[in-house]
Amino acid sequence: RKEVEQDPGPFNVPEGATVAFNCTYSNSASQSFFWYRQDCRKEPKLLMSVYSSGNEDGRFTAQLNRASQYISLLIRDSKLSDSATYLCVVNFPNFNKFYFGSGTKLNVKP
Amino acid sequence: EAQVTQNPRYLITVTGKKLTVTCSQNMNHEYMSWYRQDPGLGLRQIYYSMNVEVTDKGDVPEGYKVSRKEKRNFPLILESPSPNQTSLYFCASSVQGGEETQYFGPGTRLLVL
Repeated sequence: RKEVEQDPGPFNVPEGATVAFNCTYSNSASQSFFWYRQDCRKEPKLLMSVYSSGNEDGRFTAQLNRASQYISLLIRDSKLSDSATYLCVVNFPNFNKFYFGSGTKLNVKP
Repeated sequence: EAQVTQNPRYLITVTGKKLTVTCSQNMNHEYMSWYRQDPGLGLRQIYYSMNVEVTDKGDVPEGYKVSRKEKRNFPLILESPSPNQTSLYFCASSVQGGEETQYFGPGTRLLVL
């Protein structure tokens, strides 16, 4: 079983749509959670960290559900420039080892 | 400009020929890490380093070596490359591990024939 699992997609949505991705993780001792964005095999870049209380950054909202061991990313008012692969990242057990999901591909269409 | 650099960016080699991929960061970060990315598998951590002379295995360390003699550099060494090490490799650094943002290099595409 993979440590971190994501639906690979693709999610094809029109501009302006709201789209949500989930990511599940296997180790309940996981410490930190992140969403990264990766464009077409370029380097991943941090989109946002995910805090226990949930957090929002503009059109992006991330939430953590420890009981069910998943994190989510909600994108509102999708833009063409949001088209990318979104990577879920979890770190455990010693706080310095990171596990990436295989990514969810998003295509935003005009 | 704050950045992580990797060299070479592209490399074609043959089985068994030792190679080194260099990684350097200019942000005075303590934590550095190597990942490989393969289709359908996502990024998998190979090795990481908490600081100079401190390295530890990630999820897929077999066939790789690393060293951290200086804070800014973290080379990845393939002593005897094999075709199953054909992959896209990323180096990353952060202030410290844990909750910190990781900054990634541009990647090195390696093909082992």
